[in-house]
Amino acid sequence: SYELTQPPSVSVSPGQTASITCSGDKLATKYACWYQQKPGQSPVLVIYQDSRRPSGIPERFSGSNSGNTATLTISGTQAMDEADYYCQAWDSTTPLVFGAGTRVTVL
Amino acid sequence: QVQLVESGGGVVQPGRSLRLSCVASRFTFTNYGMHWVRQAPGKGLEWVAVISFDGSKEYYVDSVRGRFTISRDNSKNTLYLQMNSLRVEDTAVYYCAKDGSVAAITYLDYWGQGTVVTVSS
Repeated sequence: SYELTQPPSVSVSPGQTASITCSGDKLATKYACWYQQKPGQSPVLVIYQDSRRPSGIPERFSGSNSGNTATLTISGTQAMDEADYYCQAWDSTTPLVFGAGTRVTVL
Repeated sequence: QVQLVESGGGVVQPGRSLRLSCVASRFTFTNYGMHWVRQAPGKGLEWVAVISFDGSKEYYVDSVRGRFTISRDNSKNTLYLQMNSLRVEDTAVYYCAKDGSVAAITYLDYWGQGTVVTVSS
């Protein structure tokens, strides 16, 4: 089965840039998306189709997907961005798979 | 704003059954695939199952295939998850989620608040 690998944690200072990676075999041949989940809340979609932002998601969230790695970038990170982030991919052979999640801590 | 409201969770003994429901509103339910995703206590997200917009196709994660059945009633805008032969490891918050693309399986653009299933003797 297809697997996605994320770092367990990322730390960032307020106002700096956080980059969260998601690795999978030939991931660039699939579409990747990202979810934000804060404690006690349901996940929220922040990036879909590699780099598109849903309505209402701040511009500081951006995404890319190349080779074996998709990346979620948070520019000018704010305290409110502290959360768990999950990548997810799909294609015709893999209905849906999540990465294990990355905890972003804003120090 | 899209609304998804799950119900049916509870405490159940191993080997027993439970049926979850998810009532959808404020979007055209018949156009979209629907998913169940679960999250065990302190763990990450795990996709469980998806059903196509018209109910003609179903897909499951290996760990629940043969025990869980996803279904939908488009006349009631309701999604279901029938869970049989429950195991302790099925304990989780179960989320209902809407697929983001018309008539496809892609990403999850709206999620419900979740319903808690606890399997314990």
